[in-house]
Amino acid sequence: EAGVVQSPRYKIIEKKQPVAFWCNPISGHNTLYWYRQNLGQGPELLIRYENEEAVDDSQLPKDRFSAERLKGVDSTLKIQPAELGDSAVYLCASSSRGRVEKLFFGSGTQLSVL
Amino acid sequence: TQLLEQSPQFLSIQEGENLTVYCNSSSVFSSLQWYRQEPGEGPVLLVTVVTGGEVKKLKRLTFQFGDARKDSSLHITAAQPGDTGLYLCAGTHRGGYQKVTFGTGTKLQVIP
Repeated sequence: EAGVVQSPRYKIIEKKQPVAFWCNPISGHNTLYWYRQNLGQGPELLIRYENEEAVDDSQLPKDRFSAERLKGVDSTLKIQPAELGDSAVYLCASSSRGRVEKLFFGSGTQLSVL
Repeated sequence: TQLLEQSPQFLSIQEGENLTVYCNSSSVFSSLQWYRQEPGEGPVLLVTVVTGGEVKKLKRLTFQFGDARKDSSLHITAAQPGDTGLYLCAGTHRGGYQKVTFGTGTKLQVIP
């Protein structure tokens, strides 16, 4: 079974430029998450989808961040314009419905904003 | 804001030593999980505990959920270099949907 696939693995951009990250979750997983992780720290939730619906985007900086999950499968996270403080690893995870939430993560996209 | 505090933040030990990592919160969780993350990869689930006082063992790793379901510990016996990584606890709040919150992380280095 294929895991969660993210691309690109690395992205270097200059501040004020736009950037987009893509995620393909595990087949059949209804729930998709985007997390941001700073070096050596725990991931922080940006947005959570249940199928096509964003059920928790309270931590998403909506002035510059946007996300979509068309058809309830793949998802894209966009930043426009990027700021220096956006440098981090952006992780995508998916899970299926069950008694206990078990998250499966992709390898992440490491973003450097110069 | 992360509601789960882990301690210590960093730990560097010699191969063969024992260690314990703590995960504390003022919130009650319906379940708690431990993940390990290696450089350049996403976190990988190690274990899930759901009952207050529950103890689970995974080879040399022992996980315990606090009686009040507010805290947890991870104990590693005879650490090996392969145990090196970032250890993350994650608590789930029961609600309309299950909200997962990650801890602050403990970076472990096991020196051969």
